[in-house]
Amino acid sequence: DGGITQSPKYLFRKEGQNVTLSCEQNLNHDAMYWYRQDPGQGLRLIYYSQIVNDFQKGDIAEGYSVSREKKESFPLTVTSAQKNPTAFYLCASRQGRWTNNQPQHFGDGTRLSIL
Amino acid sequence: AQTVTQSQPEMSVQEAETVTLSCTYDTSENNYYLFWYKQPPSRQMILVIRQEAYKQQNATENRFSVNFQKAAKSFSLKISDSQLGDTAMYFCAFMKLTSGDDKIIFGKGTRLHILP
Repeated sequence: DGGITQSPKYLFRKEGQNVTLSCEQNLNHDAMYWYRQDPGQGLRLIYYSQIVNDFQKGDIAEGYSVSREKKESFPLTVTSAQKNPTAFYLCASRQGRWTNNQPQHFGDGTRLSIL
Repeated sequence: AQTVTQSQPEMSVQEAETVTLSCTYDTSENNYYLFWYKQPPSRQMILVIRQEAYKQQNATENRFSVNFQKAAKSFSLKISDSQLGDTAMYFCAFMKLTSGDDKIIFGKGTRLHILP
């Protein structure tokens, strides 16, 4: 079955440590996204990528980094510069540009907590 | 920049009743898409319904329908004959059509409780 896989489901970070959240899709989608979800804040866009080797900052990119070396993979690194990383992180993908009526497909999320 | 506003942080209705969730958005674009997503306690995001701005007819999906008022920039979701399984967070989302831009903007959500 095609879908989006996020791992791990739960992740703990020590102060000053970088951590990487994995997102893999086998839907052959061009576009991939990372959102952060906090209570009462809805989904806020961190980074998105419309094509391999290209990505754009979203609304809250500070303290995060991404790469898009392969079409199916869009890992998110939460750096030590992100002072409040505790949140639920959602990865999404969609078919891509010029297919704007296609919705996003979401992974099951990663819950990141500070130790 | 586009913004999406959901003015009802939380709502409760009795099972079998009809409920309407509101969503307004701000954009200078003429062509765009609007979506409603549902996030149950499992936190999985599920597409409920979508609407193309160029279509006059309101979208419907079984018990779910929208009231799309383009001039007023309003996109409300109506759930008829509500069921316990409809209990979830509901997010309204906007995506512009031009330039192949894939950025999608979400509202802050409405938490809906269906009471037995």
